[in-house]
Amino acid sequence: DAKTTQPNSMESNEEEPVHLPCNHSTISGTDYIHWYRQLPSQGPEYVIHGLTSNVNNRMASLAIAEDRKSSTLILHRATLRDAAVYYCILRDRNYGGSQGNLIFGKGTKLSVKP
Amino acid sequence: GAGVSQSPSNKVTEKGKDVELRCDPISGHTALYWYRQSLGQGLEFLIYFQGNSAPDKSGLPSDRFSAERTGGSVSTLTIQRTQQEDSAVYLCASSLAETGYSNQPQHFGDGTRLSIL
Repeated sequence: DAKTTQPNSMESNEEEPVHLPCNHSTISGTDYIHWYRQLPSQGPEYVIHGLTSNVNNRMASLAIAEDRKSSTLILHRATLRDAAVYYCILRDRNYGGSQGNLIFGKGTKLSVKP
Repeated sequence: GAGVSQSPSNKVTEKGKDVELRCDPISGHTALYWYRQSLGQGLEFLIYFQGNSAPDKSGLPSDRFSAERTGGSVSTLTIQRTQQEDSAVYLCASSLAETGYSNQPQHFGDGTRLSIL
């Protein structure tokens, strides 16, 4: 799987939007962009994923650059509960069956101030 | 609905003892993964089960580590002759069938925190 680059940490104020960037300049045409987050003392939690088009779900939005070399996870109104480490992960959709494990980097630690 | 359940949530044992960690995946999920997370580190893949296929054991760090999945559901990760470097949080995840397209989100349990004295 191709490598991703994320800032080590970001801060946000409660109830404001948060834009978490991810660079993936070596992304291949068959790589999906997945985002997970990990709250303190919990297992990772799936947030959203996409391939080419922007995606929205109840948790967040994913904006994918036209050249797919970067993407942004958007939390529309940060809450204290959104304080977590956010991971941007690429997964090849044609991995061939047995190599579906996620490769987690360091992620971005998001702090939310009241 | 019920999520991925792991037990015990915490385990403290002496160096050299064997430990068994249990994972109960979401019902209907045929793919099951084990990862471990050392303090302040990212997740490290250990082993992957998909249905009745032979497991992908490529991430197991030594032959002291083994895992089984009985009846395509519950999985047990066994660490024999534990060492202090085995101290970590062991996480289990499950997903719907992964048959050619890595498009299925993985659902994680909250892990077993293993401490080796």
